[in-house]
Amino acid sequence: EIVLTQSPATLSLSPGERATLSCRASQSVSSYLAWYQQKPGQAPRLLIYDASNRATGIPARFSGGGSGTDFTLTISSLEREDFAVYYCQQRSDWPRTFGRGTRVEFK
Amino acid sequence: QVKLVQSGAEVKKPGASVKVSCKASGYAFTSYHMYWVRQAPGQGLEWMGIINPSGGSAAYAQKFQGRVIMTRDTSTSTVYMELRSLSSEDTAVYYCARDHDGSGASWFDPWGQGTLVVVSS
Repeated sequence: EIVLTQSPATLSLSPGERATLSCRASQSVSSYLAWYQQKPGQAPRLLIYDASNRATGIPARFSGGGSGTDFTLTISSLEREDFAVYYCQQRSDWPRTFGRGTRVEFK
Repeated sequence: QVKLVQSGAEVKKPGASVKVSCKASGYAFTSYHMYWVRQAPGQGLEWMGIINPSGGSAAYAQKFQGRVIMTRDTSTSTVYMELRSLSSEDTAVYYCARDHDGSGASWFDPWGQGTLVVVSS
């Protein structure tokens, strides 16, 4: 199965700062990668799909990039509601797999 | 709007089975596949399988083969996930999530609110 490795595990930042999260796949997934946001006690929410497309209602401060094996999620200027855990997920192959997540926390 | 509402929390003993439901509304139920994903306490997300509500066919992650069954009831727009032979390692929040675009190979969007299953003697 395709293994997704996210880094860093934790990102400590302040509101207004830029966040850059990484996801690396064990083999090429083309552009078939998504990012989800999960807040405590809530279900995950789709943020970015097909590597760079924002899902409906997602603010423009969220952007995704990359292809093949290396991907990034960028939050241009952190808002208080962005402090959460972010997961990447691939749909290039079965089984569908997720990364272990990056926690974005208050510095 | 599209909504997935799951059944309530369950407490089960080791060796028992649990059946979690996910009632869909706001779209054509048989036009979108449904996924099941679980999350152990403090852990990441684990894909369990997929069901096609149109014909009822399902495919499961190898880890759960022989222990999970996914079914649907088109009359109530509800999908079910039954997990058998529970152990403490099955303690987790179980989520249903709809296929994003109806292709059966898309993203998970939206998600149900989750159902906590606790396995304890």
